[in-house]
Amino acid sequence: DGGITQSPKYLFRKEGQNVTLSCEQNLNHDAMYWYRQDPGQGLRLIYYSQIVNDFQKGDIAEGYSVSREKKESFPLTVTSAQKNPTAFYLCASSRQGRGTEAFFGQGTRLTVV
Amino acid sequence: AQKVTQAQTEISVVEKEDVTLDCVYETRDTTYYLFWYKQPPSGELVFLIRRNSFDEQNEISGRYSWNFQKSTSSFNFTITASQVVDSAVYFCAPPGGRDDKIIFGKGTRLHILP
Repeated sequence: DGGITQSPKYLFRKEGQNVTLSCEQNLNHDAMYWYRQDPGQGLRLIYYSQIVNDFQKGDIAEGYSVSREKKESFPLTVTSAQKNPTAFYLCASSRQGRGTEAFFGQGTRLTVV
Repeated sequence: AQKVTQAQTEISVVEKEDVTLDCVYETRDTTYYLFWYKQPPSGELVFLIRRNSFDEQNEISGRYSWNFQKSTSSFNFTITASQVVDSAVYFCAPPGGRDDKIIFGKGTRLHILP
């Protein structure tokens, strides 16, 4: 079945450590996105990519980094520069164009301990 | 700049009641799409509906209906005869800017009480 896979589902990190969240899709979508969701909050865009080897900052990119070396994969690294990384992270993908809906993974809940 | 407003942060209704979720989208674009997504407690967002600005006819799908009015920039979502399984956070999502990024409103948390 086609879809988006995020791993791991739960992740614990010590302060000062970098951590990478995985996102893989087999939908052949060009566009991929990372969102952050805090309790009781909406989705805020971290980074997005419309094509391989290219990506753009979203509204809250500071303290995060991404890569898009393959169409299927869009990993997100939460660096030690991110001051408050504990949150729920959602990855999504879509076809190109404004009229296309996004498909989401099940999310990764990151907790800094 | 484009802006989406979901003024209702949280709504609680008793099962079998009807409930309407509001969404107001402000833009200078003359043509655009609007989306609604559902986020159940599991966390994964699920796409519900897409409408374009040319089509103001109501859309009905089972117990769900959507009313889009371009004149008031509103795209409201009504659940008829609500059920406990409808409990979720609902997001109205206008399209992004010229670079096509997808952005979301703050969402409305809906509680259906048994």
